Amino acid sequence: DIVMTQTPLSLSVTPGQPASISCKSSQSLLNSDGKTNLYWYVQKPGQSPQLLISEVSYRFSGVPDRFSGSGSGTDFTLKISRVEAEDVGVYYCMQSAQLPYSFGQGTKLEIK
Amino acid sequence: QVHLVESGGGVVQPGRSLRLSCAASGFTFSTYAMHWVRQAPGKGLEWVAVISFDGNHKHYSDSVRGRFTISRDSSNNTLYLQMNTLRPEDTAVYFCARANWVVSYAFDIWGQGTMVTVSS
Repeated sequence: DIVMTQTPLSLSVTPGQPASISCKSSQSLLNSDGKTNLYWYVQKPGQSPQLLISEVSYRFSGVPDRFSGSGSGTDFTLKISRVEAEDVGVYYCMQSAQLPYSFGQGTKLEIK
Repeated sequence: QVHLVESGGGVVQPGRSLRLSCAASGFTFSTYAMHWVRQAPGKGLEWVAVISFDGNHKHYSDSVRGRFTISRDSSNNTLYLQMNTLRPEDTAVYFCARANWVVSYAFDIWGQGTMVTVSS
């Protein structure tokens, strides 16, 4: 099974400052079709998770462009260029390259 | 508007069964693979199971394989999770989610979740 490891597990950021979350997989997430099945989700307080980014770097509809994803193979990063108060929540990476699918432990973003 | 609404959660004793439902609306349910994801209290997300758009293919996490069964009824636009031989560690909020090929099968729509508590 693929293990997803996120760092840090918590982050406290001043509004307007950048934030970065790392996600490492125990195996490459590159598929034979050339796609990399790595996604980012955020779960805001009291809400269901919501999709932020698909296939490493594609922002989902409505996601602000201050969010960006990058990486390849086994190392991936979610960056927020300028954190806003509404970004508070727990951020998860997830892989679907191999069953069973798996999530990272989550990174809790708080505002200073 | 696209919606997923889970139901069927509750308090159940260890070893008993429960069936969760996920009612879909606002999209052509029969053309999407569907997943169940759970979240134990205060914990992270755990993928549970997937069913293909036509119901012919199903996969489970190791922790539920052999005890849980995912199914779907496209005539009723409903996804199910039959949970047997429940254990205390199955206590969680259970979410259903749609996998959308447009976004590389990411989970683009999630329900609000239904709470399952396994306790004597």
